[in-house]
Amino acid sequence: DAMVIQNPRYQVTQFGKPVTLSCSQTLNHNVMYWYQQKSSQAPKLLFHYYDKDFNNEADTPDNFQSRRPNTSFCFLDIRSPGLGDAAMYLCATSRDRGGNQPQHFGDGTRLSIL
Amino acid sequence: GEDVEQSLFLSVREGDSSVINCTYTDSSSTYLYWYKQEPGAGLQLLTYIFSNMDMKQDQRLTVLLNKKDKHLSLRIADTQTGDSAIYFCAEGEGSQGNLIFGKGTKLSVKP
Repeated sequence: DAMVIQNPRYQVTQFGKPVTLSCSQTLNHNVMYWYQQKSSQAPKLLFHYYDKDFNNEADTPDNFQSRRPNTSFCFLDIRSPGLGDAAMYLCATSRDRGGNQPQHFGDGTRLSIL
Repeated sequence: GEDVEQSLFLSVREGDSSVINCTYTDSSSTYLYWYKQEPGAGLQLLTYIFSNMDMKQDQRLTVLLNKKDKHLSLRIADTQTGDSAIYFCAEGEGSQGNLIFGKGTKLSVKP
């Protein structure tokens, strides 16, 4: 089945130690998104790639970066994780850009900071 | 600005119908979405409706859209314990905008 896969499902890192989360898709979609979701809250968009075009949300901290080496893979890098970065991180894809495009989500990576 | 509002909790008995409501503010929204999130999992796209439609039915799910009042509802017929989850409403605007999510409604189904 075509899908969005996130690895790992659970990630533990130390305060200040860089961490990378990964996402892959077999849908061949043009757009890949990263969201942060804290407990009992809606997902918050961090940034998205439209093909190789990177689009950062205005309020995304500089600590968060992303790479998309090819159509299938996208990475979220957190340079110096703080306690406030503990959250579920969700990757999503859509065929094209825009609010009229359904987004398809992976199962998420839950990040804990020690 | 854009905003999507949902009530936070809904509790029903197994076999009853559930109705989850949502209001949105962006009159230019073209698509409205319902997502389901089970504990510890990602968001599963349940259904979506184009803004020129009033209703969409898909098996046990019925979506009703009142565009004049900017009100969207999701009805789940014959609710089962497996329907217990958080349900997110989202609006999407045209070809450039992103999705705007509500805070989610936690549906609890009692046996």
